[in-house]
Amino acid sequence: QVQVVESGGGVVQPGKSLRLSCAASGFTFIRFSMHWVRQAPGKGLEWVAAISYDGSTKHYADSVKGRFTFSRDNSKSTVYLQMNSLRPEDTAVYYCARGDAITGYLDYWGQGTLVTVSS
Amino acid sequence: DIVMTQSPDSLAVSLGERATINCKSSQSLLYSSNNENYLAWYQQKSGQPPKLLIYRASTREPGVPDRFSGSGSGTDFTLTISSLQAEDVAVYYCQQHYFTPYTFGQGTKLEIK
Repeated sequence: QVQVVESGGGVVQPGKSLRLSCAASGFTFIRFSMHWVRQAPGKGLEWVAAISYDGSTKHYADSVKGRFTFSRDNSKSTVYLQMNSLRPEDTAVYYCARGDAITGYLDYWGQGTLVTVSS
Repeated sequence: DIVMTQSPDSLAVSLGERATINCKSSQSLLYSSNNENYLAWYQQKSGQPPKLLIYRASTREPGVPDRFSGSGSGTDFTLTISSLQAEDVAVYYCQQHYFTPYTFGQGTKLEIK
């Protein structure tokens, strides 16, 4: 069955960096886009970033552009979110999700990993 | 960016009754080449990740009960639960999956009256 599993969350000081990973299984990884969506405590969903099936195209929310970098390793069926210059407002549960092959609806989600940015 | 606005913010409905959630986009989500609307609905129960219910405005994800239906076109969309069950208590989100950034609505909290 399809699974996506996030890891790498934790507590980090403002201005520092953190890298999230998301390991996928149960489907042909190279055929799908992948996405990150975050949810601040008690708040709604915020789409963060997307990467195409081959990693050639990436899109970011304005709130993270220039600070976050999305990458993928198709040989490992894994995506990564490198988060630099972290701010307190980046505190959230970060979900990794599989995207439709053509458009951006998200059909499988992981359980999420919590990132807390605090001094 | 496309702004997605849901109404109401919260809703209480009796068991077995109909629940209706609206979603309005600031730009049309209709892709003229295939006449499809790129609007999705998700259900998020407490402590769980979101679950896809509907995509392309009206296509139900496999395994989703048929009491859930999506409708609408252009900028105005609706999620309808025809007969509310106790397990439908959740927050519901719409999302446009047409243009990046793929923005979500603010969510609608559905409770039992």
